[in-house]
Amino acid sequence: KQEVTQIPAALSVPEGENLVLNCSFTDSAIYNLQWFRQDPGKGLTSLLLIQSSQREQTSGRLNASLDKSSGRSTLYIAASQPGDSATYLCAVRPNGNKLVFGAGTILRVKS
Amino acid sequence: GAGVSQTPSNKVTEKGKYVELRCDPISGHTALYWYRQSLGQGPEFLIYFQGTGAADDSGLPNDRFFAVRPEGSVSTLKIQRTERGDSAVYLCASSPRRTSGGIGEQFFGPGTRLTVL
Repeated sequence: KQEVTQIPAALSVPEGENLVLNCSFTDSAIYNLQWFRQDPGKGLTSLLLIQSSQREQTSGRLNASLDKSSGRSTLYIAASQPGDSATYLCAVRPNGNKLVFGAGTILRVKS
Repeated sequence: GAGVSQTPSNKVTEKGKYVELRCDPISGHTALYWYRQSLGQGPEFLIYFQGTGAADDSGLPNDRFFAVRPEGSVSTLKIQRTERGDSAVYLCASSPRRTSGGIGEQFFGPGTRLTVL
Protein backbone atom coordinates (compact mmCIF):
# COMPACT_ATOMS: atom_id res chain seq x y z
CA LYS A 1 0.00 0.00 0.00
CA GLN A 2 1.40 3.37 -1.05
CA GLU A 3 2.12 5.74 1.84
CA VAL A 4 3.22 9.36 1.58
CA THR A 5 5.07 11.20 4.34
CA GLN A 6 5.82 14.90 4.51
CA ILE A 7 8.52 16.47 6.64
CA PRO A 8 8.44 18.78 8.48
CA ALA A 9 4.85 18.86 9.68
CA ALA A 10 5.15 22.58 10.31
CA LEU A 11 7.69 25.25 9.45
CA SER A 12 8.03 28.90 10.40
CA VAL A 13 10.56 31.10 8.59
CA PRO A 14 11.26 34.83 8.26
CA GLU A 15 10.35 36.54 5.02
CA GLY A 16 12.98 36.25 2.30
CA GLU A 17 14.34 32.86 3.26
CA ASN A 18 14.69 30.02 0.80
CA LEU A 19 13.13 26.81 2.06
CA VAL A 20 12.68 23.15 1.21
CA LEU A 21 9.71 20.92 1.88
CA ASN A 22 10.18 17.17 1.74
CA CYS A 23 7.94 14.37 0.55
CA SER A 24 8.68 10.64 0.57
CA PHE A 25 6.65 7.73 -0.77
CA THR A 26 6.99 4.01 -0.17
CA ASP A 27 6.33 2.58 -3.65
CA SER A 28 8.34 3.98 -6.56
CA ALA A 29 5.81 2.71 -9.15
CA ILE A 30 4.01 6.00 -9.75
CA TYR A 31 2.70 7.82 -12.81
CA ASN A 32 3.27 11.31 -11.48
CA LEU A 33 3.64 13.46 -8.39
CA GLN A 34 1.74 16.66 -7.72
CA TRP A 35 2.34 19.47 -5.22
CA PHE A 36 -0.67 21.44 -3.98
CA ARG A 37 -1.26 24.47 -1.83
CA GLN A 38 -4.23 24.69 0.54
CA ASP A 39 -5.28 27.89 2.27
CA PRO A 40 -7.36 27.66 5.47
CA GLY A 41 -10.94 26.65 4.69
CA LYS A 42 -10.21 26.42 0.97
CA GLY A 43 -9.74 23.74 -1.64
CA LEU A 44 -6.48 22.65 -3.22
CA THR A 45 -4.54 24.68 -5.77
CA SER A 46 -2.20 22.70 -7.99
CA LEU A 47 1.32 24.12 -7.98
CA LEU A 48 3.43 21.68 -9.96
CA LEU A 49 2.97 18.30 -11.64
CA ILE A 50 5.97 16.07 -12.34
CA GLN A 51 5.50 13.09 -14.63
CA SER A 52 7.37 9.91 -13.68
CA SER A 53 9.79 10.41 -16.57
CA GLN A 54 10.73 13.91 -15.42
CA ARG A 55 13.26 15.00 -12.80
CA GLU A 56 11.96 18.48 -11.99
CA GLN A 57 9.46 21.21 -12.77
CA THR A 58 9.70 24.95 -12.19
CA SER A 59 7.09 27.65 -11.87
CA GLY A 60 8.19 31.12 -10.81
CA ARG A 61 9.80 30.89 -7.37
CA LEU A 62 8.86 27.22 -7.02
CA ASN A 63 10.94 24.25 -8.08
CA ALA A 64 9.96 20.65 -7.50
CA SER A 65 12.26 17.68 -7.97
CA LEU A 66 11.49 13.99 -8.21
CA ASP A 67 13.77 11.04 -7.48
CA LYS A 68 11.44 8.17 -8.21
CA SER A 69 13.91 5.39 -7.47
CA SER A 70 14.50 6.64 -3.94
CA GLY A 71 10.87 7.63 -3.40
CA ARG A 72 11.51 11.30 -2.73
CA SER A 73 10.43 14.72 -3.89
CA THR A 74 11.32 18.19 -2.69
CA LEU A 75 9.55 21.51 -3.15
CA TYR A 76 11.93 24.45 -3.10
CA ILE A 77 10.50 27.92 -2.47
CA ALA A 78 12.83 30.82 -3.18
CA ALA A 79 12.65 34.19 -1.46
CA SER A 80 9.62 33.29 0.65
CA GLN A 81 6.85 35.86 1.19
CA PRO A 82 4.07 36.12 3.80
CA GLY A 83 1.60 35.26 1.03
CA ASP A 84 3.25 31.86 0.74
CA SER A 85 1.84 30.92 4.16
CA ALA A 86 -0.41 27.90 3.64
CA THR A 87 -0.45 24.11 3.90
CA TYR A 88 1.55 22.36 1.19
CA LEU A 89 0.42 18.89 0.17
CA CYS A 90 2.30 16.29 -1.83
CA ALA A 91 0.38 13.59 -3.71
CA VAL A 92 1.46 10.65 -5.84
CA ARG A 93 -0.52 8.82 -8.48
CA PRO A 94 0.15 5.08 -8.30
CA ASN A 95 -1.49 2.67 -10.77
CA GLY A 96 -5.03 3.72 -11.52
CA ASN A 97 -6.22 7.26 -11.23
CA LYS A 98 -6.54 8.18 -7.58
CA LEU A 99 -4.07 10.40 -5.76
CA VAL A 100 -2.47 9.35 -2.48
CA PHE A 101 -1.72 12.37 -0.29
CA GLY A 102 0.63 13.15 2.54
CA ALA A 103 -0.64 14.95 5.63
CA GLY A 104 0.95 18.22 4.52
CA THR A 105 3.45 20.79 5.78
CA ILE A 106 2.02 23.92 7.42
CA LEU A 107 4.18 26.86 6.35
CA ARG A 108 4.22 30.23 8.06
CA VAL A 109 6.30 33.04 6.60
CA LYS A 110 6.73 35.89 9.07
CA SER A 111 7.04 39.48 7.88
CA GLY B 1 -13.20 29.25 -17.75
CA ALA B 2 -14.91 28.30 -14.51
CA GLY B 3 -13.23 25.88 -12.15
CA VAL B 4 -14.71 22.97 -10.24
CA SER B 5 -17.65 24.09 -8.13
CA GLN B 6 -19.23 22.34 -5.14
CA THR B 7 -22.48 22.94 -3.32
CA PRO B 8 -23.27 23.53 -0.57
CA SER B 9 -20.10 25.03 0.85
CA ASN B 10 -21.21 24.06 4.35
CA LYS B 11 -23.71 21.45 5.51
CA VAL B 12 -24.77 20.82 9.08
CA THR B 13 -26.97 17.81 9.72
CA GLU B 14 -28.06 15.59 12.54
CA LYS B 15 -26.89 12.05 13.10
CA GLY B 16 -28.98 9.59 11.12
CA LYS B 17 -30.02 12.04 8.39
CA TYR B 18 -29.41 11.71 4.65
CA VAL B 19 -27.25 14.25 2.79
CA GLU B 20 -26.34 14.96 -0.83
CA LEU B 21 -23.24 16.84 -1.91
CA ARG B 22 -22.95 18.17 -5.45
CA CYS B 23 -19.96 18.65 -7.73
CA ASP B 24 -19.82 20.50 -11.06
CA PRO B 25 -16.56 19.63 -12.84
CA ILE B 26 -14.70 21.76 -15.33
CA SER B 27 -16.52 21.69 -18.66
CA GLY B 28 -15.19 18.94 -20.91
CA HIS B 29 -13.38 17.04 -18.17
CA THR B 30 -14.22 13.37 -18.44
CA ALA B 31 -12.75 12.19 -15.15
CA LEU B 32 -14.23 13.12 -11.78
CA TYR B 33 -12.99 12.23 -8.29
CA TRP B 34 -14.30 12.49 -4.75
CA TYR B 35 -11.97 12.76 -1.76
CA ARG B 36 -12.56 13.25 1.96
CA GLN B 37 -10.28 15.33 4.19
CA SER B 38 -10.36 15.10 7.96
CA LEU B 39 -8.85 17.81 10.14
CA GLY B 40 -5.05 17.83 10.03
CA GLN B 41 -4.81 15.14 7.37
CA GLY B 42 -4.43 14.97 3.62
CA PRO B 43 -7.38 14.11 1.40
CA GLU B 44 -8.31 10.43 1.08
CA PHE B 45 -9.68 8.97 -2.13
CA LEU B 46 -13.31 7.87 -2.20
CA ILE B 47 -14.41 7.23 -5.79
CA TYR B 48 -13.44 7.93 -9.39
CA PHE B 49 -15.70 8.30 -12.45
CA GLN B 50 -14.65 8.08 -16.08
CA GLY B 51 -17.68 9.36 -17.93
CA THR B 52 -20.88 8.09 -16.34
CA GLY B 53 -19.48 4.96 -14.73
CA ALA B 54 -17.66 4.53 -11.44
CA ALA B 55 -14.30 3.14 -12.54
CA ASP B 56 -12.97 2.78 -9.00
CA ASP B 57 -15.05 2.96 -5.82
CA SER B 58 -12.52 1.23 -3.59
CA GLY B 59 -12.25 4.23 -1.26
CA LEU B 60 -15.90 4.36 -0.20
CA PRO B 61 -15.82 3.48 3.53
CA ASN B 62 -19.06 1.49 3.63
CA ASP B 63 -22.40 1.03 1.91
CA ARG B 64 -23.84 4.21 3.43
CA PHE B 65 -21.83 6.12 0.84
CA PHE B 66 -22.88 6.22 -2.81
CA ALA B 67 -22.10 8.51 -5.74
CA VAL B 68 -23.63 9.00 -9.16
CA ARG B 69 -22.79 10.85 -12.36
CA PRO B 70 -25.76 10.08 -14.61
CA GLU B 71 -24.90 12.30 -17.58
CA GLY B 72 -21.13 12.27 -17.32
CA SER B 73 -20.89 15.79 -15.95
CA VAL B 74 -22.36 16.74 -12.55
CA SER B 75 -21.85 14.25 -9.74
CA THR B 76 -23.67 13.78 -6.45
CA LEU B 77 -22.19 12.10 -3.38
CA LYS B 78 -24.91 10.63 -1.19
CA ILE B 79 -24.50 9.65 2.45
CA GLN B 80 -27.22 7.73 4.24
CA ARG B 81 -27.73 7.49 8.01
CA THR B 82 -24.95 9.98 8.70
CA GLU B 83 -22.66 9.43 11.66
CA ARG B 84 -20.53 11.92 13.59
CA GLY B 85 -17.44 10.28 12.13
CA ASP B 86 -18.57 11.36 8.66
CA SER B 87 -17.78 14.98 9.57
CA ALA B 88 -15.06 16.16 7.20
CA VAL B 89 -14.44 18.30 4.12
CA TYR B 90 -15.54 16.51 0.97
CA LEU B 91 -13.49 17.53 -2.04
CA CYS B 92 -14.26 16.99 -5.71
CA ALA B 93 -11.70 17.09 -8.51
CA SER B 94 -11.80 16.70 -12.27
CA SER B 95 -9.25 16.08 -14.98
CA PRO B 96 -9.31 16.14 -18.76
CA ARG B 97 -9.12 13.15 -21.04
CA ARG B 98 -5.70 11.60 -20.84
CA THR B 99 -3.37 12.95 -23.51
CA SER B 100 -0.84 10.72 -25.17
CA GLY B 101 2.12 10.06 -22.91
CA GLY B 102 0.70 11.96 -19.97
CA ILE B 103 -1.64 11.48 -17.06
CA GLY B 104 -4.13 14.27 -16.48
CA GLU B 105 -3.62 16.82 -13.75
CA GLN B 106 -6.41 16.97 -11.17
CA PHE B 107 -8.14 20.27 -10.46
CA PHE B 108 -9.93 20.58 -7.14
CA GLY B 109 -13.06 22.38 -6.03
CA PRO B 110 -13.36 24.38 -2.77
CA GLY B 111 -14.99 21.49 -0.94
CA THR B 112 -18.10 20.98 1.15
CA ARG B 113 -17.62 21.05 4.92
CA LEU B 114 -19.98 18.48 6.41
CA THR B 115 -20.72 18.58 10.13
CA VAL B 116 -22.79 15.81 11.67
CA LEU B 117 -24.13 16.72 15.11
